Amino acid sequence: QKEVEQNSGPLSVPEGAIASLNCTYSDRVSQSFFWYRQYSGKSPELIMSIYSNGDKEDGRFTAQLNKASQYVSLLIRDSQPSDSATYLCAVPNQGGKLIFGQGTELSVKP
Amino acid sequence: DVKVTQSSRYLVKRTGEKVFLECVQDMDHENMFWYRQDPGLGLRLIYFSYDVKMKEKGDIPEGYSVSREKKERFSLILESASTNQTSMYLCASGNLYNEQFFGPGTRLTVL
Repeated sequence: QKEVEQNSGPLSVPEGAIASLNCTYSDRVSQSFFWYRQYSGKSPELIMSIYSNGDKEDGRFTAQLNKASQYVSLLIRDSQPSDSATYLCAVPNQGGKLIFGQGTELSVKP
Repeated sequence: DVKVTQSSRYLVKRTGEKVFLECVQDMDHENMFWYRQDPGLGLRLIYFSYDVKMKEKGDIPEGYSVSREKKERFSLILESASTNQTSMYLCASGNLYNEQFFGPGTRLTVL
């Protein structure tokens, strides 16, 4: 079983809609969670870090963490075509390395 | 603002050549990582380092070695390049909170 799982997509949403990206993880002791955005042909960019249960908002982005359910999500409000990218969820393992999900491809249609 | 730089964006080498990929970070981070990324396989960790002179094998170290002589610099070495090492190579620098910051990547083609 994979340690970090994401739907591969592609997820297609119209411009202005809310995009919801989901990630589940298997390590119950994980304390921090990260979302990366990767444009085609580019390197991953850290866009959100979340460490405690609940919501964390940063502009149009909201990360939601539920440790009991081992679930972390990323909501993108007012989606723009420039948000079209692959979004990677990452969770540190006990050795401090990051375990990455396979990524969800998001397409925002004008 | 964290900055991670890699020596080349694109590189073309021939089978059997020795290849050096350089990575430099300017945030005084202890941790540095080398990944490769291939379509359908995601990010795979090759080697990482938690301190100068230290190195640890990742998930796919075969055919690679690394060097960390200075804190800010982490080099990936392909001793004898092969066609199956054609890939995007990504270096990352990590802070105490386990956040990792990636360089722009090197797209290596081995002919």
